[in-house]
Amino acid sequence: DAKTTQPTSMDCAEGRAANLPCNHSTISGNEYVYWYRQIHSQGPQYIIHGLKNNETNEMASLIITEDRKSSTLILPHATLRDTAVYYCIVRALTGANSKLTFGKGITLSVRP
Amino acid sequence: NAGVTQTPKFRVLKTGQSMTLLCAQDMNHEYMYWYRQDPGMGLRLIHYSVGEGTTAKGEVPDGYNVSRLKKQNFLLGLESAAPSQTSVYFCASSYSWQHNQPQHFGDGTRLSIL
Repeated sequence: DAKTTQPTSMDCAEGRAANLPCNHSTISGNEYVYWYRQIHSQGPQYIIHGLKNNETNEMASLIITEDRKSSTLILPHATLRDTAVYYCIVRALTGANSKLTFGKGITLSVRP
Repeated sequence: NAGVTQTPKFRVLKTGQSMTLLCAQDMNHEYMYWYRQDPGMGLRLIHYSVGEGTTAKGEVPDGYNVSRLKKQNFLLGLESAAPSQTSVYFCASSYSWQHNQPQHFGDGTRLSIL
C-alpha cells in the first residue's frame, strides 16, 4: 500500500469547517483513499472513501486532486464531538488481504 | 443493532497465562479482522478471516492464534502471554473486501501483561 503523509495536529473553531489534508504522492491507479477517525478510547470509525471523484456523505466531503497525489477531508460544521485522530489511508483492492494500514493520523481539536 | 462487540473490555494477565478474546458481529459480515494498536505504531493486522472456518495471517501473527467456527464470531487466543503483547486489541468486520464495504470496528479490549 502507498504511504500517506498528514500533519501531526490541527485545530478549528466549533461551527467552522475543518479541512484535513493528506498527501499520497505514490498512490497507484487501483488504490482508493479512505478516511477513518478514532475518538478517544473508541474503535476506529469509517468516514468516507473515494477513487478519483469527489465524494460526499452525511459525515463529510472528500476532495481528491486531479493527479490523485493529495486529498482533503472536509467536516463542514465541526462540533466538539469531532475532536479525534483522523487517519488517511490508501488501499488497493488486490484481494481479501487488502488490509487497512493505519499510520499516526492527524489529531483534530475542535475548540468552543 | 450492536454492530461489533468485543469481550472482555479490560484484562490483566500474568506472563505465561493464556486467554481468549471474543469478537461478535451481528451484521452477517463475511470478513473479520484482529488488529493491535500500540502507542506510535498505528493499527497492525494480526490475523483475518474471509469466512466461516477460514483464517489467515496478517502482518504480526506470531504469538497469536485465531478461530472462526461460527460466521458471527472471531476468537483471538494468546497461548502464553508475554509483556510485549500488552496492547489494545480491535476487532473489525466487513461484508467483503470490495471498495464499497468499509470495515466496522469494535471498541477494543485493553490487555495488560505483567
